[in-house]
Amino acid sequence: GAGVSQSPSNKVTEKGKDVELRCDPISGHTALYWYRQSLGQGLEFLIYFQGNSAPDKSGLPSDRFSAERTGGSVSTLTIQRTQQEDSAVYLCASSLKIRVGGAGETQYFGPGTRLLVL
Amino acid sequence: GQQLNQSPQSMFIQEGEDVSMNCTSSSIFNTWLWYKQDPGEGPVLLIALYKAGELTSNGRLTAQFGITRKDSFLNISASIPSDVGIYFCAGQPFDRGSTLGRLYFGRGTQLTVWP
Repeated sequence: GAGVSQSPSNKVTEKGKDVELRCDPISGHTALYWYRQSLGQGLEFLIYFQGNSAPDKSGLPSDRFSAERTGGSVSTLTIQRTQQEDSAVYLCASSLKIRVGGAGETQYFGPGTRLLVL
Repeated sequence: GQQLNQSPQSMFIQEGEDVSMNCTSSSIFNTWLWYKQDPGEGPVLLIALYKAGELTSNGRLTAQFGITRKDSFLNISASIPSDVGIYFCAGQPFDRGSTLGRLYFGRGTQLTVWP
């Protein structure tokens, strides 16, 4: 497709279960980002992948959160032993990122995965 | 870490009025972006700014990259009901450290337009 896609659109899970959220970036985009948005809040940075570089994990809130990006394309965000406070919209974005600054920095967002932990 | 202060937090205006919102940062940025988010959707890019002093328009929207590189504003002229949504500013700090590439977001401006 032309844009960033995410799946599932919605996920309801029970406290303590693990969940996996998927992101398909725009084809050719080298950078991929995960954000979390709680109800009525701004975007909270989670993790950033750029090419083959080590990911910037500085935003992950706990060691229950992890993410990987296979083949420089699709990414999976995994939340282990989910807690009710993990309920939020998880947004993925990608950017072209050929060089520092300029149009390649612009991030394009997917529609998000709405996670509800009961 | 970087702080982005976006104001106002919310606005209630009548259709046809002009709107102005702004964003300030605690340090120099080399990119400013403005996004709009509709309920149940991801943010959609409205305007991107890459140079200090740059003024860019997109239809009824106009945004400027502040000359100090620490601020940006977004204006919406002649608002219409479909302008309703949350507007976010985002910026890329001038920083070559490990956080390069990370966008910092404001907390958003909730715009309500009365017909």
